[in-house]
Amino acid sequence: KNEVEQSPQNLTAQEGEFITINCSYSVGISALHWLQQHPGGGIVSLFMLSSGKKKHGRLIATINIQEKHSSLHITASHPRDSAVYICAVVWGGGSRLTFGEGTQLTVNP
Amino acid sequence: EAQVTQNPRYLITVTGKKLTVTCSQNMNHEYMSWYRQDPGLGLRQIYYSMNVEVTDKGDVPEGYKVSRKEKRNFPLILESPSPNQTSLYFCASSSRRTEAFFGQGTRLTVV
Repeated sequence: KNEVEQSPQNLTAQEGEFITINCSYSVGISALHWLQQHPGGGIVSLFMLSSGKKKHGRLIATINIQEKHSSLHITASHPRDSAVYICAVVWGGGSRLTFGEGTQLTVNP
Repeated sequence: EAQVTQNPRYLITVTGKKLTVTCSQNMNHEYMSWYRQDPGLGLRQIYYSMNVEVTDKGDVPEGYKVSRKEKRNFPLILESPSPNQTSLYFCASSSRRTEAFFGQGTRLTVV
């Protein structure tokens, strides 16, 4: 079984700040997801990564397979970015997922 | 529009009364999974399916059943629900190369 750790658990930022959320895992994986969950409960997939770096608007995700570590960066943060961010690792042939506990991000105006 | 549809969104039931939560996807994805989310425990995988008629246990399968008779549907069955199955449930689908798509969630309360 894979163990997934996220940090920090809680993060409060001022609008415009650069934010980084980290995820580390214990066993080899085939891919890693970054997910966003808003207070209403719905979950949206932001990225799926198997190597390198991906960018979508103000969001950037990186993964270092050798170090078993991934980061999610938010540039020029905005109050609408306030949500829980969850990393999930894919293993076991591609259909097993293990999740981190999530990072609660609050961005104040 | 690509989507995963779960029903119902909210359900209150009594201990022991069999229930089914439906999940349907319109993206022809091979992989489908069920998860439960509990405060302090995060999301945990209940069952997953790699294709039609191929299902397997995740981390917390006790008390649940699934079936995958068609590619698009993956219902979650609670034969005899108990209060410890009160939770927020999510269905998701994906393929090897795509991000995961999640349903809207089903909030289940067993009294």
